[in-house]
Amino acid sequence: GAGVSQSPSNKVTEKGKDVELRCDPISGHTALYWYRQSLGQGLEFLIYFQGNSAPDKSGLPSDRFSAERTGGSVSTLTIQRTQQEDSAVYLCASSLDSSVGAAGQPQHFGDGTRLSIL
Amino acid sequence: AQKITQTQPGMFVQEKEAVTLDCTYDTSDPSYGLFWYKQPSSGEMIFLIYQGSYDQQNATEGRYSLNFQKARKSANLVISASQLGDSAMYFCAIFPLLPPLSGAGSYQLTFGKGTKLSVIP
Repeated sequence: GAGVSQSPSNKVTEKGKDVELRCDPISGHTALYWYRQSLGQGLEFLIYFQGNSAPDKSGLPSDRFSAERTGGSVSTLTIQRTQQEDSAVYLCASSLDSSVGAAGQPQHFGDGTRLSIL
Repeated sequence: AQKITQTQPGMFVQEKEAVTLDCTYDTSDPSYGLFWYKQPSSGEMIFLIYQGSYDQQNATEGRYSLNFQKARKSANLVISASQLGDSAMYFCAIFPLLPPLSGAGSYQLTFGKGTKLSVIP
């Protein structure tokens, strides 16, 4: 498909386990973002990748969260030693180059991964 | 720092009527973009409309228009001729168009808490 693809769509795991969430952006999009949406809330920024630049990790809530983007395409968000407060929908988005202030470039979102920590 | 305020947790509108969803923002960025997204119950985030801070005219996109009042820092979404399929959460978001003077990030969308719109037949 042509959209942002995320997997898995749902993940249920026990507290203390590690989880990996995957995002495959739209082909040709150099900017990639991870957001978190808790129940009934807006989206909370986590991390931003732009091309080969160092990622902006300013939104990561703790050092248990990390993300990487291989080859400027697929990204993986890893949560170590999961806690119940990590339960949320994790959304990935991609867009054309943002670093030059490309006006009006919307971020296109995937369907998200619903993470439930027992 | 950027902030979006959506003061209406929920709104009701009669089918075929117009509705305005409020959004006010606060930013120190000299140049920014404002976005509206729709999130149906299925969960996907759907881009609706964009307004640049430098745009002289209000943005329009089909039945969606953005009432942009820069001096008041408001960017309200107007949906004309509401349809049952418009029932969803609506999020206003802001995005910097220039890198922060500090050199650190961040090209992130800052979202409001959303407004739940219900269209009544």
